[in-house]
Amino acid sequence: RKEVEQDPGPFNVPEGATVAFNCTYSNSASQSFFWYRQDCRKEPKLLMSVYSSGNEDGRFTAQLNRASQYISLLIRDSKLSDSATYLCVVPSDTGRRALTFGSGTRLQVQP
Amino acid sequence: NAGVTQTPKFRVLKTGQSMTLLCAQDMNHEYMYWYRQDPGMGLRLIHYSVGEGTTAKGEVPDGYNVSRLKKQNFLLGLESAAPSQTSVYFCASSPSTEAFFGQGTRLTVV
Repeated sequence: RKEVEQDPGPFNVPEGATVAFNCTYSNSASQSFFWYRQDCRKEPKLLMSVYSSGNEDGRFTAQLNRASQYISLLIRDSKLSDSATYLCVVPSDTGRRALTFGSGTRLQVQP
Repeated sequence: NAGVTQTPKFRVLKTGQSMTLLCAQDMNHEYMYWYRQDPGMGLRLIHYSVGEGTTAKGEVPDGYNVSRLKKQNFLLGLESAAPSQTSVYFCASSPSTEAFFGQGTRLTVV
């Protein structure tokens, strides 16, 4: 099983829609999880951290399911500016003090 | 506050040439990382450092070397560039878990 797996998409949704992405991870000992946002040809930027069951920040909600080893990102009332690639990130389970990135899920919000 | 700064931002190399990518952070972070990003493959860890004077191999270290002589700087070297090293390189630093990235270096090896 890959350390982190994401559906690559693309997810094409209209403005105002609610969209959810899932991410599965292999390291059952992980305590912290992250969602990063990456715009085309730009660096990844931290969107949300998840340390317990979930986190909410405005229109964005991240939820953690430890039993099934997945985290999700829910975006409500999608804006055109939400169009980007969303990267699921977990600590490496190879003993390295580093983060392992999923390949990303691309979101395209359409007018 | 500059955060994480990478130089250069773009570079074209001929096969066999060498070069060094510089990463500098002004946040006093202990951990620093070099990743490469290729289409459809996400970010892959090349090398990382958990403190000044220490380095360790990541997922794809072959063909690269690194040095962390000063806490704020993390250098990535390519001794003999190959076309397979054409990629976007990102440096990141972290105080513990969350990582902050530089703007990236686009490297093309012809």
